[in-house]
Amino acid sequence: GDSVTQMEGPVTLSEEAFLTINCTYTATGYPSLFWYVQYPGEGLQLLLKATKADDKGSNKGFEATYRKETTSFHLEKGSVQVSDSAVYFCALSGAGANSKLTFGKGITLSVRP
Amino acid sequence: ETGVTQSPTHLIKTRGQQVTLRCSSQSGHNTVSWYQQALGQGPQFIFQYYREEENGRGNFPPRFSGLQFPNYSSELNVNALELDDSALYLCASSSLSRSDTEAFFGQGTRLTVV
Repeated sequence: GDSVTQMEGPVTLSEEAFLTINCTYTATGYPSLFWYVQYPGEGLQLLLKATKADDKGSNKGFEATYRKETTSFHLEKGSVQVSDSAVYFCALSGAGANSKLTFGKGITLSVRP
Repeated sequence: ETGVTQSPTHLIKTRGQQVTLRCSSQSGHNTVSWYQQALGQGPQFIFQYYREEENGRGNFPPRFSGLQFPNYSSELNVNALELDDSALYLCASSSLSRSDTEAFFGQGTRLTVV
């Protein structure tokens, strides 16, 4: 079945540092790929998405590129802020009528001032 | 804010009891999916409802059941609660009728089984 693997956490960075969070996936067909963010005590918010190979999703300074050849969708940000502290989830959804999301385990990012 | 609301926000139940969680979907959406998020884990798909019919189910036992109403709101029912059912339950609203199937999540219901 479909699966998503995220790098182990937690990750602690200083403000303005460069961020990379690795994500790889296993899926049949051509899934859509997502990054969701969860702030403390809140539900999930969509951060960015890509629906086909070589697409780049971007939002709030975060970027991720859909790499079919390496089945990866790594999240990057050039300069993190304290307000980026949250849990980040990589996810995929299959094609067709059942658009369920399959999530990775998530990784906690803490940004120090 | 997504427009997806869940109630209650927190709930404490005793093992063996039954619980009902509720979700109001975003305006214009006809699909509701439910997820269970255990502490420190990613959300796990429970099931999805589309136009009042179950449209896919994850690896959860039959004591997890659901309903979707004509206004597309939804309920998740869990019978014979077990300690391991303690988790954050998330509802996601989307529209399978549109090409953009982005899902919007509610804030979740935190269920504690003691």
